[in-house]
Amino acid sequence: DQQVKQNSPSLSVQEGRISILNCDYTNSMFDYFLWYKKYPAEGPTFLISISSIKDKNEDGRFTVFLNKSAKHLSLHIVPSQPGDSAVYFCAASGGMGGGYQKVTFGTGTKLQVIP
Amino acid sequence: NAGVTQTPKFQVLKTGQSMTLQCAQDMNHNSMYWYRQDPGMGLRLIYYSASEGTTDKGEVPNGYNVSRLNKREFSLRLESAAPSQTSVYFCASGTGAGYGYTFGSGTRLTVV
Repeated sequence: DQQVKQNSPSLSVQEGRISILNCDYTNSMFDYFLWYKKYPAEGPTFLISISSIKDKNEDGRFTVFLNKSAKHLSLHIVPSQPGDSAVYFCAASGGMGGGYQKVTFGTGTKLQVIP
Repeated sequence: NAGVTQTPKFQVLKTGQSMTLQCAQDMNHNSMYWYRQDPGMGLRLIYYSASEGTTDKGEVPNGYNVSRLNKREFSLRLESAAPSQTSVYFCASGTGAGYGYTFGSGTRLTVV
């Protein structure tokens, strides 16, 4: 039972254009949604998060949108740069208190930004 | 450099052998985690430790044990390795909700 789904395994975008990565979830109890970026042979790096009480969070070139009614979130990268080429993981957490939140990851989308 | 340090980076085991993956963080985080990454499966939680002295099972704990040695260190042990445990293992640490985890660079384990 995959609670966090990334249905596009890969995406190619021209440098300078917008990259849109999508993620769907099934559990309405999730309270935080996160995006991680992963380069080959490295661990994932936290990119940006959004609380379930918000619908948008922005950090520089990265914006995450949350549509709770559709159980859908997306990551927009504008403008895309070749250094953004990586695998992007969507993740979601359900609060349990005590500093630990069970985080469920999607399967990842490989983004290629073409110079 | 501050962060999460994992050792070893690569390991080849024969079926039935045992080994311990080591993880240490220097960010004073309370929570630590072990994940495995397999093609097409994303990252799956093996075990976690919400605080020093506590550990709990995650999504795929079978065949593994963990020890939270102190606040800094969280080790993962394979008692009798199986080919199905061939994977990339990541250790992570974190604080509160929404702040994200800091991951180590991973251990690539092959069981033959």
